[in-house]
Amino acid sequence: GNSVTQMEGPVTLSEEAFLTINCTYTATGYPSLFWYVQYPGEGLQLLLKATKADDKGSNKGFEATYRKETTSFHLEKGSVQVSDSAVYFCALPTLYNFNKFYFGSGTKLNVKP
Amino acid sequence: EPEVTQTPSHQVTQMGQEVILRCVPISNHLYFYWYRQILGQKVEFLVSFYNNEISEKSEIFDDQFSVERPDGSNFTLKIRSTKLEDSAMYFCASSDDTYGYTFGSGTRLTVV
Repeated sequence: GNSVTQMEGPVTLSEEAFLTINCTYTATGYPSLFWYVQYPGEGLQLLLKATKADDKGSNKGFEATYRKETTSFHLEKGSVQVSDSAVYFCALPTLYNFNKFYFGSGTKLNVKP
Repeated sequence: EPEVTQTPSHQVTQMGQEVILRCVPISNHLYFYWYRQILGQKVEFLVSFYNNEISEKSEIFDDQFSVERPDGSNFTLKIRSTKLEDSAMYFCASSDDTYGYTFGSGTRLTVV
């Protein structure tokens, strides 16, 4: 079935540093790919998505490109802020139910001033 | 922006007690879900619900769990006899059929 693998955290960066959180996927076909964010004490929020190969999803300065050659969907941001401190989850629909998501293990990001 | 609303935000219950977690999905959504996140762990699928019946459930969703849409707006998750290992954050979500997938802010369940 479909699955994702995320880099383990925590990731600790200084403000304005460049961020990359790696995500690779295993899938049948080319499902849409998603990044969700969970701020401390809050629920899951959709950060960005890409619906087909070579698409780039972007939101709030974050970007991720759907790369089928490397089966990756890495999350990047050029200059992180303290307010970006959160847990980030890569996700994709499972094989038989496109509305059911498989989440990665999550990567905690700590941004220090 | 439409929201999925979950209540309560935090519930503490004694082991063996029944709990009901409540969710109000987005009004024009047709698919409803419960997910669970044990502290510090993955977000895990529990159950999906469509057209007034369960469309899929995970191995976690055993006979102790049930879901219901008692009226046109609420979607509930019941745990009949809670165990310590049921302590987790429970997320409700709803979607239309175009990946408009929205999560609620979660209910933190603590079983003592």
